[in-house]
Amino acid sequence: EDQVTQSPEALRLQEGESSSLNCSYTVSGLRGLFWYRQDPGKGPEFLFTLYSAGEEKEKERLKATLTKKESFLHITAPKPEDSATYLCAVYADSSYKLIFGSGTRLLVRP
Amino acid sequence: SQTIHQWPATLVQPVGSPLSLECTVEGTSNPNLYWYRQAAGRGLQLLFYSVGIGQISSEVPQNLSASRPQDRQFILSSKKLLLSDSGFYLCAWSSGYGSNQPQHFGDGTRLSIL
Repeated sequence: EDQVTQSPEALRLQEGESSSLNCSYTVSGLRGLFWYRQDPGKGPEFLFTLYSAGEEKEKERLKATLTKKESFLHITAPKPEDSATYLCAVYADSSYKLIFGSGTRLLVRP
Repeated sequence: SQTIHQWPATLVQPVGSPLSLECTVEGTSNPNLYWYRQAAGRGLQLLFYSVGIGQISSEVPQNLSASRPQDRQFILSSKKLLLSDSGFYLCAWSSGYGSNQPQHFGDGTRLSIL
């Protein structure tokens, strides 16, 4: 069965303390992996798409990487405004729909 | 650029009342459209998707239905709401169903059933 697992469920960082969020997936034939940011009471905001192992994408303090089994979202020198829930989702050959993980809630304290 | 609008942002309805949530997309044509429900602290559950006008596929048997009367309009409805219908409802669009294109979400409707 296709599955997406995110860890940790919650992460507290001090401002400037870099860290990584993990998204591991078990699917048949990855077609694309997506990262989203979701603020409370809002819809998910698209951040990155990764298509193949070894691919990397960057946006401001965020960098997403992809291997054959997992993806990491690296946050460098985070700021309080980076606090949000980060969602990972995949498209696979075996499923016509986007499969979401349950997210990582990130809190960055000043 | 493309934008997606959902309304209302919040809604409080009594049990047994009807429901109509609307979603429209601007700046693109022939989008694929989706309705999701998100439970607190959990992932997104796909409810309905549509690849064209009048074409609706249901993911989960439930008290809800969806319609697509126009290319860029997607409506979520119910004839009689249940307590279990409470939740955060999200509409999304993508440029190609089943392909590897990202989905883009509206800001959602918080539905509370009393």
